[in-house]
Formats: sequence, C-alpha cells, structure tokens
Amino acid sequence: ETGVTQSPTHLIKTRGQQVTLRCSSQSGHNTVSWYQQALGQGPQFIFQYYREEENGRGNFPPRFSGLQFPNYSSELNVNALELDDSALYLCASSLGKRQRLDTGTEAFFGQGTRLTVV
Amino acid sequence: AQSVTQLGSHVSVSEGALVLLRCNYSSSVPPYLFWYVQYPNQGLQLLLKYTTGATLVKGINGFEAEFKKSETSFHLTKPSAHMSDAAEYFCAVRAGNTGFQKLVFGTGTRLLVSP
Repeated sequence: ETGVTQSPTHLIKTRGQQVTLRCSSQSGHNTVSWYQQALGQGPQFIFQYYREEENGRGNFPPRFSGLQFPNYSSELNVNALELDDSALYLCASSLGKRQRLDTGTEAFFGQGTRLTVV
Repeated sequence: AQSVTQLGSHVSVSEGALVLLRCNYSSSVPPYLFWYVQYPNQGLQLLLKYTTGATLVKGINGFEAEFKKSETSFHLTKPSAHMSDAAEYFCAVRAGNTGFQKLVFGTGTRLLVSP
C-alpha cells in the first residue's frame, strides 16, 4: 500500500450535478496531482497542487477545480457533470521539488474513485 | 513535448514464457521513465523507474527494463510469466518545466497470461 487514500471508491452522479472527490496524501508528501483515466485509456493529467497552490494544469476545462489543505490532503471538484466525465480519477502524491527536474521522488497513487455519470 | 508510445494494446503469453512489453519515448531532454502496473479495479503501482545512471533497471516482481537512448526505447521484460502478472501496464515519462512536473502516460498494454 502506498499510503495515499481516496474517497469515495465509487460514485454515481446525474448529468449536470456537481461532485467532490477527496485524497489524503502520503505522510511527508507536499504535492498532489490528479489524473483522469477514461475506460481503456492511460491516465491524463488534470492539475497539481503544491503547498496549497495550483502548480500546473492539464487540458481540462475550468469546471474541474481543486483545493489543497494545510495537511496536504486535496479535493477535486467537477461542476456541471457530463457523461464523458465518467472515469477513474486517480490521485498521486509526491515530494515535489519545484525548481528542479533532476531530483524529486516518484508519484505514489491511490486506489482511485470510479465516477459514473448517468 | 515528452510522450510515450506503447506498442500493442494486448500481449498474450503462456505461464513461464518471456514477457516483453514495448515502450518508445519522445523527449527533448534526458527522460525520466517509469513503468506502472494496474490490477483490475485498482490504482497504479510503480514497478520501476529510470532517472540517470545504470541503463538496466530492476523493479519489483522480477520485472526489469533497459533504457536505450539510441532506440528511444524503455521496454519492460520478465523472464518467466506468472498468472499473477496479468494486469494493465503503463509506461510513463516525466514532463513539465521548472514550475511543475507531471507524468505523461501511454495508452497501456494489457498482459494476458494463460496456463
């Protein structure tokens, strides 16, 4: 086990609703990244939080938003859900070294939240 | 921009046979490369990583991968497949800039192991 926990594990929502997914990072990690994995695809980067600030964002619309708290846990919020938002949402924690690419640790992933939009 | 390509969406082997999963990368800077495994209804587990140094990298569960710059490849191998190796495997490259880093994943290869 990686020490990264996500909740809930499964969720069913109706199109147009809003959803909040939660992630507790591994102890000592200050960076949380969120990924969307559609069925049969590889994970796609949504955004990253480092010390409570958004630190980078992928090609996702603004209705995907997030937060990171002082204990480095994180939330992913999705507004106005669409059918295509159905996916496995993965949270990954790491010890980010913001200014250097030649160091830093690998990302440890949680079990994911399976979101189904109907 | 960094990217990876995994050749073969499905690979089938018999138990005890060699496992070879292919990954080619594209990167304008020296790449950091990773292999992750995903079991059904699970998250991603790191198998191994290449950063710098030795080009042959050993990981968990008997897997290893060799970084070949001349071929821009980072193929994953295991000498003898076990039934428990059946899973989805993802190759990834670390991308980003001085501001942040992210993982860019391939589309995955499903490994099927038959008795």
